[in-house]
Amino acid sequence: EADIYQTPRYLVIGTGKKITLECSQTMGHDKMYWYQQDPGMELHLIHYSYGVNSTEKGDLSSESTVSRIRTEHFPLTLESARPSHTSQYLCASSERAGLAGVSPNEQYFGPGTRLTVT
Amino acid sequence: KNQVEQSPQSLIILEGKNCTLQCNYTVSPFSNLRWYKQDTGRGPVSLTIMTFSENTKSNGRYTATLDADTKQSSLHITASQLSDSASYICVVSDRGSTLGRLYFGRGTQLTVWP
Repeated sequence: EADIYQTPRYLVIGTGKKITLECSQTMGHDKMYWYQQDPGMELHLIHYSYGVNSTEKGDLSSESTVSRIRTEHFPLTLESARPSHTSQYLCASSERAGLAGVSPNEQYFGPGTRLTVT
Repeated sequence: KNQVEQSPQSLIILEGKNCTLQCNYTVSPFSNLRWYKQDTGRGPVSLTIMTFSENTKSNGRYTATLDADTKQSSLHITASQLSDSASYICVVSDRGSTLGRLYFGRGTQLTVWP
């Protein structure tokens, strides 16, 4: 099982609050990702990072922001939560492709954070 | 447009029975195809991964097949158990970007009844 952690697992918060979803991995992976997933729907990439001080927006437009100050840590922040932000947020990480014994683009997922904004 | 389509959307089977889940994709250029299992409220966990040259891969009671010519894959589950109840997601990776972009299907929700 992969060593990637997300906190909190569940969060219910009121509209307008600032929230930070935490994601940490202890595998020393360079790449990290944030996905958003609604029930019965596919995962959508909202942010990714190639390494420290590198962050990019994904396919799905998101009002959230991310930072990558340390290799193991990739927090996601919503400055002002809204009901439309209600969703499951999944964090993932992957090793650089080409290393011996490592499947290319093998992503390991955290358990997710279920966010509900009331 | 790169897409991954899965069928059926949901499936109910009795414990001990076999089942097959389908995945069709249009992702190009193709790099590899994975099947993930996602339990309710959890993150996806990889079951199998296949590259272009592989047409079958097994992981215990799970057997995945790949036909790269027709761009189809299947996941066969043998002798199902209650713990197999989950969403099974087909994920295709392209090799056209340094990120190794993943394209996700919506999953097949499998329910195994006793």
